Amino acid sequence: DAKTTQPNSMESNEEEPVHLPCNHSTISGTDYIHWYRQLPSQGPEYVIHGLTSNVNNRMASLAIAEDRKSSTLILHRATLRDAAVYYCILQSHYGGSQGNLIFGKGTKLSVKP
Amino acid sequence: GAVVSQHPSRVICKSGTSVKIECRSLDFQATTMFWYRQFPKQSLMLMATSNEGSKATYEQGVEKDKFLINHASLTLSTLTVTSAHPEDSSFYICSARRGPPPLNEQFFGPGTRLTVL
Repeated sequence: DAKTTQPNSMESNEEEPVHLPCNHSTISGTDYIHWYRQLPSQGPEYVIHGLTSNVNNRMASLAIAEDRKSSTLILHRATLRDAAVYYCILQSHYGGSQGNLIFGKGTKLSVKP
Repeated sequence: GAVVSQHPSRVICKSGTSVKIECRSLDFQATTMFWYRQFPKQSLMLMATSNEGSKATYEQGVEKDKFLINHASLTLSTLTVTSAHPEDSSFYICSARRGPPPLNEQFFGPGTRLTVL
C-alpha cells in the first residue's frame, strides 16, 4: 500500500515555479521523505530528500510541514526538461526491507512553453 | 552522482527463450541491489532485493524460479527471465544502494525494455 498521496497530474508554464504536494499522514519518526522523478523511458532520478527541516539543492527545494504529515517539492523555474513523473516516497531510516523504495503512482508534471 | 548501468538497453526475444539483463554500479560498491518492473503507464513495482553473495529476497507474487537473480559481486547483479512469455514484456529497472542506513543513497539504472514475441 502506498504510504503517500499525490495528485495524478499537474501543469505548469515554463520558467514559472511549480509546487508539487505530497501527503503522508502516517509517516513515522524514522521515515525520510524522498523525491525521485522519472523522465519518459528512463530510470528514476534522485531529486531531494529530507527528514524534518526544509532542504535545498541545485535541482529543487523540499518544504516539510511542521507535523511532517505533508511536504512540497518546489521547482523554482520549470523548464521543458522538468516534464516527468515525480514520486514522493517514504523510506525508513532503519534499512532492510523497511528501507526499500516503494513507488506510488506519482504526479505527472507537464510543462507548457 | 553515482552511475548505474544496464545492459542491454533493449531486447526482443521469442517466446520460450531466456533473457539475461546486467546491472552494474560503475563507480561505487553497492551494498544492496534491487530489481523493479514497470508496465506501460504504471508505476515501478519492486520485484526483489539482493545482497552480494546472498540469495535474493523476492516480493510477494514474484516467481523466483522465473526471475533468477545473481549478485556475484558488489558491482554486478544479473536478472534472468527464464522461458519468457509475452506477458513478461516490460521495462526492467535495476537500482543500487550505496552506504548503510540512514544514508540509503539509491541510484537507478536507465532501464531495459524487454519485448517477448
